[in-house]
Amino acid sequence: DAMVIQNPRYQVTQFGKPVTLSCSQTLNHNVMYWYQQKSSQAPKLLFHYYDKDFNNEADTPDNFQSRRPNTSFCFLDIRSPGLGDAAMYLCATSSDKQGIHRVDTEAFFGQGTRLTVV
Amino acid sequence: DAKTTQPTSMDCAEGRAANLPCNHSTISGNEYVYWYRQIHSQGPQYIIHGLKNNETNEMASLIITEDRKSSTLILPHATLRDTAVYYCIVRYLNDYKLSFGAGTTVTVRA
Repeated sequence: DAMVIQNPRYQVTQFGKPVTLSCSQTLNHNVMYWYQQKSSQAPKLLFHYYDKDFNNEADTPDNFQSRRPNTSFCFLDIRSPGLGDAAMYLCATSSDKQGIHRVDTEAFFGQGTRLTVV
Repeated sequence: DAKTTQPTSMDCAEGRAANLPCNHSTISGNEYVYWYRQIHSQGPQYIIHGLKNNETNEMASLIITEDRKSSTLILPHATLRDTAVYYCIVRYLNDYKLSFGAGTTVTVRA
């Protein structure tokens, strides 16, 4: 059963038209990540949530926003998509089971949403 | 963060062991070594991680040198389905960030 679900798998949006990508998880993990992956490149971390705390990467453009209304769901909003925002967007989750910073747990990734901007 | 260096690509024969090196010469004592892989058009998949001891699971083995400055991921019997990009990642103990480098593109050939 899929544990990190991204919808849709493929999204086409118009240049400048706001678009939202969604991610849900059944793992009850408290950390959720959004990555951008362009063709032939490694995934690039955009931001992550530790519980409700939002952590933005310094080089993430303001055009990218995120919302996490509850533990299970996280959204990526692109306010004005440009042609350069065409990419695969990956959602991932991990767990901090003891409420302290631990990295000895794995991260689970969704299948990604491939965004095309026309 | 400690940085990692991996070969850009490597080929492996099906059924043979694949040994993927990773250099992390500036690793600190509290940093773990993680390996993930990404099969084409899929999300990355966790393989294994370790701190200083060698680790083995159903997918692979991780050998970390005594000085912890390098490690090797071993796929014991590579199959065509192991063709993927393999990422070696070093993380601080108290850092949630999972940052990917360029990785090694592994092609398993029949």
